[in-house]
Amino acid sequence: NAGVTQTPKFQVLKTGQSMTLQCAQDMNHEYMSWYRQDPGMGLRLIHYSVGAGITDQGEVPNGYNVSRSTTEDFPLRLLSAAPSQTSVYFCASSRGPVNEKLFFGSGTQLSVL
Amino acid sequence: AQTVTQSQPEMSVQEAETVTLSCTYDTSESDYYLFWYKQPPSRQMILVIRQEAYKQQNATENRFSVNFQKAAKSFSLKISDSQLGDAAMYFCAWGPYNNNDMRFGAGTRLTVKP
Repeated sequence: NAGVTQTPKFQVLKTGQSMTLQCAQDMNHEYMSWYRQDPGMGLRLIHYSVGAGITDQGEVPNGYNVSRSTTEDFPLRLLSAAPSQTSVYFCASSRGPVNEKLFFGSGTQLSVL
Repeated sequence: AQTVTQSQPEMSVQEAETVTLSCTYDTSESDYYLFWYKQPPSRQMILVIRQEAYKQQNATENRFSVNFQKAAKSFSLKISDSQLGDAAMYFCAWGPYNNNDMRFGAGTRLTVKP
């Protein structure tokens, strides 16, 4: 059982480049979300989705785009990468709202030069 | 806005002893959930324990227990009989009742000394 799969694990970008972080889950979870983890700041919610076709903004959405065309996939797009987006990104899913256990991917370490 | 504060950036404990990690939060909502997540060096986030705010009884999971003080907005984690495998970053988190808008604290790095 794969759980939540994130790709790539590491990525280096130049300022202004765009890219998509992939996230897929095989547990038929309705809820999916993206977080960024920065030293001394814990995890901060970027965007989340309560089901296919439905997304909403979290605490730090600027500079990121998401879509949810299927239950399984929830990609995160960086439109024009900036050094401030250097971070570790985690995708998470859960069966129901936040009162359910979150299952996390293993993270993507992104560096923007 | 909801905030979660972990005032101890680092803690250490001797193997087999007990340690308590502190967490306070601020919210105006009456229904919510509180969590402790563990992040070992592998970076994988693992749920340690969960507490429903409407329950007065403190949650317990084996060696892990919480002290939930709703009026004080405090949610501490006690680890009993600490083991080397408990060494990790621990995050306290708050979540509303009906959506995914979770808030995490900055984390406490726990070291376990043999």
